[in-house]
Amino acid sequence: GESVGLHLPTLSVQEGDNSIINCAYSNSASDYFIWYKQESGKGPQFIIDIRSNMDKRQGQRVTVLLNKTVKHLSLQIAATQPGDSAVYFCAEILNQAGTALIFGKGTTLSVSS
Amino acid sequence: NAGVMQNPRHLVRRRGQEARLRCSPMKGHSHVYWYRQLPEEGLKFMVYLQKENIIDESGMPKERFSAEFPKEGPSILRIQQVVRGDSAAYFCASSTTGGDQPQHFGDGTRLSIL
Repeated sequence: GESVGLHLPTLSVQEGDNSIINCAYSNSASDYFIWYKQESGKGPQFIIDIRSNMDKRQGQRVTVLLNKTVKHLSLQIAATQPGDSAVYFCAEILNQAGTALIFGKGTTLSVSS
Repeated sequence: NAGVMQNPRHLVRRRGQEARLRCSPMKGHSHVYWYRQLPEEGLKFMVYLQKENIIDESGMPKERFSAEFPKEGPSILRIQQVVRGDSAAYFCASSTTGGDQPQHFGDGTRLSIL
């Protein structure tokens, strides 16, 4: 079936640590992936995206890794800050069909000072 | 604010009433998507529209729900004869084109049914 899931519903880290949030997807036909951050009472905020012809993409303090062999996606946040506390979702779009984002259930990241 | 604008932010309706949710996409975006989010869950796709056309409504309930994106004005998600199960946060997103382009979201409308 089509589903995007996350390995852990919650992740707690100390300020300054690196965070890794994982996501497993089930549809090998998916070829575009996005990570979103959602703070309480707000809409999902685009963080970074990656296409299936790439293994890694870096942004400011964030890196997304894509392993198509095991259908695994991860978001790495360097030097995590309290402002990074939020729910993080991975989402995928199937190729060709491609319009609807399929979201996982989310990982809640808590950063303590 | 050049982002996706949704209104109202909060909407309370009694069972049987109609709910109208509005979405103005980002400037330059002609593709609009509606999603629904239940508490503690991810977003679920409902419908994808371009100006004056519904492209994909595979996620929309067959009854009571409709969407439009007229040539002028915002996109409207309309829910007729609301029931308690319609209580959710409804998010709109927009993009420059369809397919593998980032979708940018508004802050949603929280619909509560009494």
